[in-house]
Amino acid sequence: GQQLNQSPQSMFIQEGEDVSMNCTSSSIFNTWLWYKQDPGEGPVLLIALYKAGELTSNGRLTAQFGITRKDSFLNISASIPSDVGIYFCAGQKSGGGADGLTFGKGTHLIIQP
Amino acid sequence: DTAVSQTPKYLVTQMGNDKSIKCEQNLGHDTMYWYKQDSKKFLKIMFSYNNKELIINETVPNRFSPKSPDKAHLNLHINSLELGDSAVYFCASSPRDSLYGYTFGSGTRLTVV
Repeated sequence: GQQLNQSPQSMFIQEGEDVSMNCTSSSIFNTWLWYKQDPGEGPVLLIALYKAGELTSNGRLTAQFGITRKDSFLNISASIPSDVGIYFCAGQKSGGGADGLTFGKGTHLIIQP
Repeated sequence: DTAVSQTPKYLVTQMGNDKSIKCEQNLGHDTMYWYKQDSKKFLKIMFSYNNKELIINETVPNRFSPKSPDKAHLNLHINSLELGDSAVYFCASSPRDSLYGYTFGSGTRLTVV
């Protein structure tokens, strides 16, 4: 089935560094979402993007919906220890919820002391 | 007053058994979903259910069946469990017209021995 190509697979960074990750697809999505998953928990929505070219911020997080509708990136500025976790991009082709989300394989963010 | 709650949190069972996982949402959402997360953390949609309309991912074996007694519940029944069914199963819900409220439960870790 359809998959999103998410990179990098993992990141080892120092506290305070900026982080960047992205997702690409061979087909168009109408909506892009970015989630974070902590151990033993479900994914939690960070940012939702609805329009091509849209740039949205949520605190230290910034995400953009690519102009071609086939890609998106997430940046985290000045990382802190609680940013550790798995970040997922997700896309949806239709405007409604019924056909669910297609997820990337995740980016594991690890912050080294 | 958890928004999307799943029970049990952990489930260990033998091959061949039949088991159910319950999911309830108190958000008033119209659509509910089941996702499977494998050992490599890949999330894949299994079902979505919206106003008595069930959309099934074609790769899901027919041993898996969702059952919705009412709008707030979508339970997952699994017959004749196999070793490969071991995974974390997430329930989620969303409003009809917006993905911003797309909310996941905290997951059920199923281990088949």
